[in-house]
Amino acid sequence: QKEVEQNSGPLSVPEGAIASLNCTYSDRGSQSFFWYRQYSGKSPELIMSIYSNGDKEDGRFTAQLNKASQYVSLLIRDSQPSDSATYLCAVYTATGGGNKLTFGTGTQLKVEL
Amino acid sequence: GAVVSQHPSWVICKSGTSVKIECRSLDFQATTMFWYRQFPKQSLMLMATSNEGSKATYEQGVEKDKFLINHASLTLSTLTVTSAHPEDSSFYICSARQGARGGQYFGPGTRLTVT
Repeated sequence: QKEVEQNSGPLSVPEGAIASLNCTYSDRGSQSFFWYRQYSGKSPELIMSIYSNGDKEDGRFTAQLNKASQYVSLLIRDSQPSDSATYLCAVYTATGGGNKLTFGTGTQLKVEL
Repeated sequence: GAVVSQHPSWVICKSGTSVKIECRSLDFQATTMFWYRQFPKQSLMLMATSNEGSKATYEQGVEKDKFLINHASLTLSTLTVTSAHPEDSSFYICSARQGARGGQYFGPGTRLTVT
């Protein structure tokens, strides 16, 4: 089982719709969770962090965390073509040498006009 | 958010030569920096964790003698690809962590092409 799993997509949504991106993780002890956006040919950009169960909103983005289900999601409201990118879920997992940020393989989002 | 810079943004070098890539945290001190490599249409692969003032920790399968990492200050880490070969051509990205639980902020990446 992969440590952080995401559906690779592509996930296609029409402009103005809500895009829902999901991620599951295997380390039950994980405490910190992040969403990154990566445009093609560019490096990842941190867009959301969440540490507690529930929802965290920032502009059009809402991160949701459910530690009991080991599930974290990202909602993008009023999706725009500029939101088209790969979204990476990242989780701090404990290793012998300390905590390591483990990335999922990413979900490609396409927002269509 | 925090700013991390990388230099150069792209480099072309001949096979057998060495290339140094710099990573700087511009507005915060980073005791820990990370080096990743990403091949086209693949996910990020962590190469090593760089700790200020101590030896880097390399991931399994990454040759420490080929990828030399130095983290001489709280704002600068360098990656030197020694005796580069065409298969080392990739997108190299550094990141720096702000605080013990904070997210990692990525530099813009360095695209290396070895001819």
